[in-house]
Amino acid sequence: GAGVSQSPSNKVTEKGKDVELRCDPISGHTALYWYRQRLGQGLEFLIYFQGNSAPDKSGLPSDRFSAERTGESVSTLTIQRTQQEDSAVYLCASSTQVSNEKLFFGSGTQLSVL
Amino acid sequence: GNSVTQMEGPVTLSEEAFLTINCTYTATGYPSLFWYVQYPGEGLQLLLKATKADDKGSNKGFEATYRKETTSFHLEKGSVQVSDSAVYFCALSGGNQGGKLIFGQGTELSVKP
Repeated sequence: GAGVSQSPSNKVTEKGKDVELRCDPISGHTALYWYRQRLGQGLEFLIYFQGNSAPDKSGLPSDRFSAERTGESVSTLTIQRTQQEDSAVYLCASSTQVSNEKLFFGSGTQLSVL
Repeated sequence: GNSVTQMEGPVTLSEEAFLTINCTYTATGYPSLFWYVQYPGEGLQLLLKATKADDKGSNKGFEATYRKETTSFHLEKGSVQVSDSAVYFCALSGGNQGGKLIFGQGTELSVKP
């Protein structure tokens, strides 16, 4: 596609449920990043992928969070047993390669945990 | 660790006013510095960057100079337009961080006609 696509754009879930967030990067981009933005706060790094591997998972808040990437394309961020503090906008970005600092962002998934 | 601090918003200006959004950073080594912008309903996009001390990044009338002595990268524009209304994010990246960007909290700018 022309840009980074994320789905769903909005997700409302109940506390304790699992959610999956999807990111389709720009075709050919080998690097893919996940960030989280809580209301009124900056972007918080979660994880990045180089191809299908994740050299840096340092930002994942807990073991309830996991992410995978397949075919050097689509990535899924999974949050298990959601908590209210997980409510945030989850942003995905991609770039042509890891050393390229120009990131292209999707519009994000607004997650609300009731 | 590395961090970025921006002035708090929202910032409200009249059209054609001068804009400054302050950004300071803490980093080891020699990071690259960025301003990203998020227009309403759109994803973040790169506005400008500077990769070494005293470099000036510029785009769409916006400028920012990499000041190592004051660890700052303030964003400026001489005459803002209504279409500049957006959220502006300052960010840094170190060469050994795999392109991972560390962002400030964002500053919302609202320009009134």
